[in-house]
Amino acid sequence: EIVLTQSPGTLSLSPGERATLSCRASQSVSSSYLAWYQQKPGQAPRLLIYGASSRATGIPDRFSGSGSGTDFTLTISRLEPEDFAVYYCQQYGSSPPGCSFGQGTKLEIK
Amino acid sequence: QVQLVESGGGVVQPGRSLRLSCVASGFPFSNYAIHWVRQAPGKGLDWVAIISYDGKNKYYADSVKGRFTISRDNSKNTLYLQMNSLRAEDTAVYYCARVLSTTWYMDDWGQGTLVTVSS
Repeated sequence: EIVLTQSPGTLSLSPGERATLSCRASQSVSSSYLAWYQQKPGQAPRLLIYGASSRATGIPDRFSGSGSGTDFTLTISRLEPEDFAVYYCQQYGSSPPGCSFGQGTKLEIK
Repeated sequence: QVQLVESGGGVVQPGRSLRLSCVASGFPFSNYAIHWVRQAPGKGLDWVAIISYDGKNKYYADSVKGRFTISRDNSKNTLYLQMNSLRAEDTAVYYCARVLSTTWYMDDWGQGTLVTVSS
């Protein structure tokens, strides 16, 4: 089973700043199978990035994803007030078929 | 628009069973695989299971294998999760989530239903 470790656990920034969130896998993950989700309190998660770097429908271009192998990054170029939330990375694979999430990074207003 | 509505949650004693449902609308249900994902109170996301568009392929997290069964009725646009031998650690909000195309990414989510396992 692939374990995803996100860092930092909590990130305190101000609106307008740049946020960099990390997701490290315990073994290599195909870039095609790595995603990022945003979750706000009381809401279901929302798909932001899939295939490590492709934005989902309706996601602003201030969100970008990068990385390969075991190290992946979600970058928010200029934080808007609505971006403060918890972010999760997710991977899936076929050998054996399965899926896992990182433990999450909470992005809070400084 | 795509809509997924879960139901069936509630309070159940350890060792008992519960069946969750997820009714879909706004898209051709029989064309899409669907996940169950859960979230314990104050905790992160935890993948539970996925079923293929035709119900022939099912995969489970190790933590629920042998206790939970995912199924679907495409004639009713409904997904199910039969949960047996429930444990306190199964307490969570359970979400159904539609995949993105032919991937396992979770593109659309329901609002979730809360399952509490407690004596």
